[in-house]
Amino acid sequence: GNSVTQMEGPVTLSEEAFLTINCTYTATGYPSLFWYVQYPGEGLQLLLKATKADDKGSNKGFEATYRKETTSFHLEKGSVQVSDSAVYFCAPRWVTGGGNKLTFGTGTQLKVEL
Amino acid sequence: NAGVTQTPKFQVLKTGQSMTLQCAQDMNHEYMSWYRQDPGMGLRLIHYSVGAGITDQGEVPNGYNVSRSTTEDFPLRLLSAAPSQTSVYFCASMSPDRNTEAFFGQGTRLTVV
Repeated sequence: GNSVTQMEGPVTLSEEAFLTINCTYTATGYPSLFWYVQYPGEGLQLLLKATKADDKGSNKGFEATYRKETTSFHLEKGSVQVSDSAVYFCAPRWVTGGGNKLTFGTGTQLKVEL
Repeated sequence: NAGVTQTPKFQVLKTGQSMTLQCAQDMNHEYMSWYRQDPGMGLRLIHYSVGAGITDQGEVPNGYNVSRSTTEDFPLRLLSAAPSQTSVYFCASMSPDRNTEAFFGQGTRLTVV
């Protein structure tokens, strides 16, 4: 079946450090891929997306590339800020018999310190 | 822009009580879903709907009911609350286009004592 595996947290980094959060999926087809972010006390909001192989999504300095050959969608940022402290969710959206569904990884909590 | 509106934001229930979590969206989205968020477990799908009058079960449907009488509203009912239902609940809506994102409410933090 379709599933998503996300790097476990929490991850603690110093400001300006490089960030990678790994995400891989198993699927019978080719999902659209999303990263969502959840700031403390808030709901989830879209961070970036990629809808086909080799697409790169980017937003707020974050990037992720849709890698079909490795079924991965790793999130990266070259220099994190304290304001990036949040929980990050990888979320493939698959086509199913009854339409399509959005599924979530377990989430990775990021804490950025000065 | 209202987007997805969930009420209430916080709720404390006693074991055995019932209640309804409200969710409304103003984006004319056909798809709506309810998730629960528990530490270390991400978001798990409770129930979902692909249109008015159509609902289906997700991963963890036991103890919850839903209905979808209009496109805008998708309430979640807890029939007899149990401590295991203590969680944060999120409602989401999205269009059928799989290349588009979901929009989430602010969440309801429910505690069952």
